[in-house]
Amino acid sequence: EAGVTQFPSHSVIEKGQTVTLRCDPISGHDNLYWYRRVMGKEIKFLLHFVKESKQDESGMPNNRFLAERTGGTYSTLKVQPAELEDSGVYFCASSPYFSASSGNTIYFGEGSWLTVV
Amino acid sequence: GNSVTQMEGPVTLSEEAFLTINCTYTATGYPSLFWYVQYPGEGLQLLLKATKADDKGSNKGFEATYRKETTSFHLEKGSVQVSDSAVYFCALIGGNNRLAFGKGNQVVVIP
Repeated sequence: EAGVTQFPSHSVIEKGQTVTLRCDPISGHDNLYWYRRVMGKEIKFLLHFVKESKQDESGMPNNRFLAERTGGTYSTLKVQPAELEDSGVYFCASSPYFSASSGNTIYFGEGSWLTVV
Repeated sequence: GNSVTQMEGPVTLSEEAFLTINCTYTATGYPSLFWYVQYPGEGLQLLLKATKADDKGSNKGFEATYRKETTSFHLEKGSVQVSDSAVYFCALIGGNNRLAFGKGNQVVVIP
């Protein structure tokens, strides 16, 4: 069974440009999450989809970030226009269960490394 | 809100040494606790977890015990190998259904 896959694995763009990151969750997983780690800091929650609906987007840093999950399958995270402080690793994760508080596993992808210069 | 604190700085040690990475947390209610690991060039992988007080999670020789009285979940391994070199993240999940991570610790094991 394929795991969570992310594309691109690495991206270098100039300040002001647009980048779109893609995530393919594990097949059948309704829950999809985006997290990011800015260099040297914690991995922070960005948002949570349940199927195609945004369940919680309270972690999105500002309106330059737009996440979509049309059809409830893969998801994209667009940064437009990118700023220097957006550099970091963007992780996607998926889970078959809505409630993870009992310890149900959330599966992570390898991350998309974004560098804004 | 929920938060996780890991000890500061990278950890460098020799092969077969004892490893401890400290982790403490702040949370409302009864969170589940996790250790995730990121090996070079790979994604985040779940290393172990514990869902209630006094539970011990274990995997690949690593252990961590959920200590509610000290709000801690320290990671230990008795004899590390070079292949254990990675970044280790302590995390918790509570009623808001989102993971809260610590800053991570880079572990370097020298042959």
